[in-house]
Amino acid sequence: SYVLTQPPSVAVAPGKTATITCGGNNIESKSVHWYQQKPGQAPVLVISFDADRPSGIPERFSGSNSGNTATLTISRVEAGDEADYYCQVWDSNSDHRVFGGGTKLTV
Amino acid sequence: EVQLLESGGGLVQPGGSLRLSCAGSGFTFSSYAMNWVRQAPGKGLEWVSAIDNIGSSIYYADSVKGRFTISRDNSKNTLHLQMTSLRAEDTAIYYCGRGGGVGATMVEYWGQGSQVTVSS
Repeated sequence: SYVLTQPPSVAVAPGKTATITCGGNNIESKSVHWYQQKPGQAPVLVISFDADRPSGIPERFSGSNSGNTATLTISRVEAGDEADYYCQVWDSNSDHRVFGGGTKLTV
Repeated sequence: EVQLLESGGGLVQPGGSLRLSCAGSGFTFSSYAMNWVRQAPGKGLEWVSAIDNIGSSIYYADSVKGRFTISRDNSKNTLHLQMTSLRAEDTAIYYCGRGGGVGATMVEYWGQGSQVTVSS
């Protein structure tokens, strides 16, 4: 089955740029979605189809996908961005949705 | 406003059964695929099952295949997850999630979750 690999944690100072990676074999051939989950809350979709921002998501959130790595970038990081972030793809071979292990962003 | 409300969670003994439901509102329920995603205590998200908008295509994670059954009633805007032969490792918050439309494989909207605890 398809595996997505994320770093367990990323730390960034307020106002700086956070980069969270999601590794997978030839992931550029897949559409990658990103979710934000704050403690005690349900996940929220922040990036879909590699780089699209759903309505209501700040422009500070952006995504890219190339080669074997997809990336979620959060610019001008705020304290309120502290959360767990998950990447997700659809594995066409198994018809399964697959989540990465998650990355805890500390601000 | 899209709303998803899960119900049916609780405490069940190992080997027991439980049926989760998810009521959708604020959108045309019959037009969207639906998902169940779970999160064990202190762990990450795990996709459990998905069903297309008319219930003709159904998918399961290997960890639940043969034990869980997903279904939907579009006349009642409701999604179900029948869970049998429950194990301690099935203990988790179970989220209902709406897909993003035809061909879209993300979970665009999420419910608040329903706690399932499997313990004797």
